Amino acid sequence: AQSVAQPEDQVNVAEGNPLTVKCTYSVSGNPYLFWYVQYPNRGLQFLLKYITGDNLVKGSYGFEAEFNKSQTSFHLKKPSALVSDSALYFCAVRDKSNTGKLIFGQGTTLQVKP
Amino acid sequence: DAGITQSPRYKITETGRQVTLMCHQTWSHSYMFWYRQDLGHGLRLIYYSAAADITDKGEVPDGYVVSRSKTENFPLTLESATRSQTSVYFCASSVTGIYSNQPQHFGDGTRLSIL
Repeated sequence: AQSVAQPEDQVNVAEGNPLTVKCTYSVSGNPYLFWYVQYPNRGLQFLLKYITGDNLVKGSYGFEAEFNKSQTSFHLKKPSALVSDSALYFCAVRDKSNTGKLIFGQGTTLQVKP
Repeated sequence: DAGITQSPRYKITETGRQVTLMCHQTWSHSYMFWYRQDLGHGLRLIYYSAAADITDKGEVPDGYVVSRSKTENFPLTLESATRSQTSVYFCASSVTGIYSNQPQHFGDGTRLSIL
């Protein structure tokens, strides 16, 4: 069965420091991977995706993610965190049935402190 | 403005009542989805639809009914609400199928409380 795991419920980082939000996946074949961000009382917003090609994917708001096939990971990163990056982050993998269904991780709360 | 709109944003009702959550998208996306978000569970798929008049169950469909008579609308109905259905509900849409690398676009959610 396909699954996504986000091992940390919360990540705390100081403003200006680099941040990493971890995601590991379990799928057969090549995965389609996504990161979304959710601000309070809002829906999920798409940040970036990995489909194929370069293992380092760049997305919105200065975020990037590194795909590592051998470690089955897709960690979200940013070189310098902002207080405004504080939000709930979801990793997701596309279901292979070609219906477009997404399988989400549990979510990681990112707290950036000034 | 183009986008995906959910209504109402907040709803309080009582157990046993029927309640319908509305979802409307202006992109003409073929696929639409309903999720519920609960602490500790992330987002779980309730139902999805590939096109008008085509719907299918997701991970947690029990107690819910959907319909899709028009491409742009995908209402979710709780036929007899239970307290366990207290949650935040999100609707999403996407261009998918053969374009299945495209992201889903989410509405801002409906916060439903069942007393």
